Amino acid sequence: GAGVSQSPSNKVTEKGKDVELRCDPISGHTALYWYRQSLGQGLEFLIYFQGNSAPDKSGLPSDRFSAERTGGSVSTLTIQRTQQEDSAVYLCASSSSIDNQPQHFGDGTRLSIL
Amino acid sequence: SQQGEEDPQALSIQEGENATMNCSYKTSINNLQWYRQNSGRGLVHLILIRSNEREKHSGRLRVTLDTSKKSSSLLITASRAADTASYFCASISSGSARQLTFGSGTQLTVLP
Repeated sequence: GAGVSQSPSNKVTEKGKDVELRCDPISGHTALYWYRQSLGQGLEFLIYFQGNSAPDKSGLPSDRFSAERTGGSVSTLTIQRTQQEDSAVYLCASSSSIDNQPQHFGDGTRLSIL
Repeated sequence: SQQGEEDPQALSIQEGENATMNCSYKTSINNLQWYRQNSGRGLVHLILIRSNEREKHSGRLRVTLDTSKKSSSLLITASRAADTASYFCASISSGSARQLTFGSGTQLTVLP
């Protein structure tokens, strides 16, 4: 597609449930990033993929969070046993691997935990 | 965690005026980028300035970078109502890091 696509755009779920968020990057972009945007914390880095491997998982807030990327394309971010503090907008971005290139963002998934 | 601060946190101007937003960061960087976010939408990339550059222009946008002060500014000239949005600076740290570290953002309102 022309841009980064994320689904669902909105997700409401009960505390304790697992959720899966999907990101489809720009075709040909080998680097993929997940960020989280919340009122209290602003924009935070979660995880970065180069191809299918994740050299930097340093931003994942707890072991309830995991992510994978298959075929060097689509990525899923999974949150297990959701808590209310997980409520946020989860943003995905992709870029080429060439240095000093911009990251292109999707519109995000707004996650609300009841 | 956020790299640094942006100021002002909010700015309200009349259409046609110029808007200046400032950003500070904490560590050495490879580049600094500015993004715009409209309410409920993702981030739109505006401009990237490399650590060895001091000034860059793109249309009505002018970005400066002062690595000695670890600061950057974004100037929007001849503002329009459609420029109303939140503006974020984000940096890539020196070394092998690839992720963006964001500032706290400036909410710009341009009144018609």
